[in-house]
Amino acid sequence: AQTVTQSQPEMSVQEAETVTLSCTYDTSESDYYLFWYKQPPSRQMILVIRQEAYKQQNATENRFSVNFQKAAKSFSLKISDSQLGDAAMYFCAYRRSAGNAGNMLTFGGGTRLMVKP
Amino acid sequence: KAGVTQTPRYLIKTRGQQVTLSCSPISGHRSVSWYQQTPGQGLQFLFEYFSETQRNKGNFPGRFSGRQFSNSRSEMNVSTLELGDSALYLCASSLAGGRIGELFFGEGSRLTVL
Repeated sequence: AQTVTQSQPEMSVQEAETVTLSCTYDTSESDYYLFWYKQPPSRQMILVIRQEAYKQQNATENRFSVNFQKAAKSFSLKISDSQLGDAAMYFCAYRRSAGNAGNMLTFGGGTRLMVKP
Repeated sequence: KAGVTQTPRYLIKTRGQQVTLSCSPISGHRSVSWYQQTPGQGLQFLFEYFSETQRNKGNFPGRFSGRQFSNSRSEMNVSTLELGDSALYLCASSLAGGRIGELFFGEGSRLTVL
């Protein structure tokens, strides 16, 4: 079974600075998908960024980028120019590549990010 | 376009009772997934429905069940409630043929079991 581990329960960052959230995972599969989801307080969880394991290039979405290290099974999220609206719980998630996996994602325990003005 | 709607948002039950939660996906989305979120266990996959058929099931006891209707709306039911069932139940929908893993979540139904 796959496992996803987020070793930082809480992180804080000063507004406008950069922060990196860590995620490691364990799988015996060679092809899969990785995601970062954001859950703001009392609001819906939304997808921040996704990475396909067969792609070597790290995904980027505006101020959000990942550092995908397949051999090390590491998938960190970098948030640049942090904004107050970035404050949220961030979840790392894994989905195996098999077509019948559907929307069955395995989530990490989450990292609470606080942004200081 | 309206987002994923979950009802009720909050509910309190006592042990032994049963509960039914409802989820209306985004219009056009045919896949609906359910997740349980607790402080101790985090986010755990319950089950997924696509075109009224259960496509995947997580590792939960048979007290947890679900179904999907022809209009893609979904319900989940928990029977014989236990204290440990207290959680935020999240529903998520996705578009067939959309980006893999891109789920659109509702705000959740917060269940408290006393």
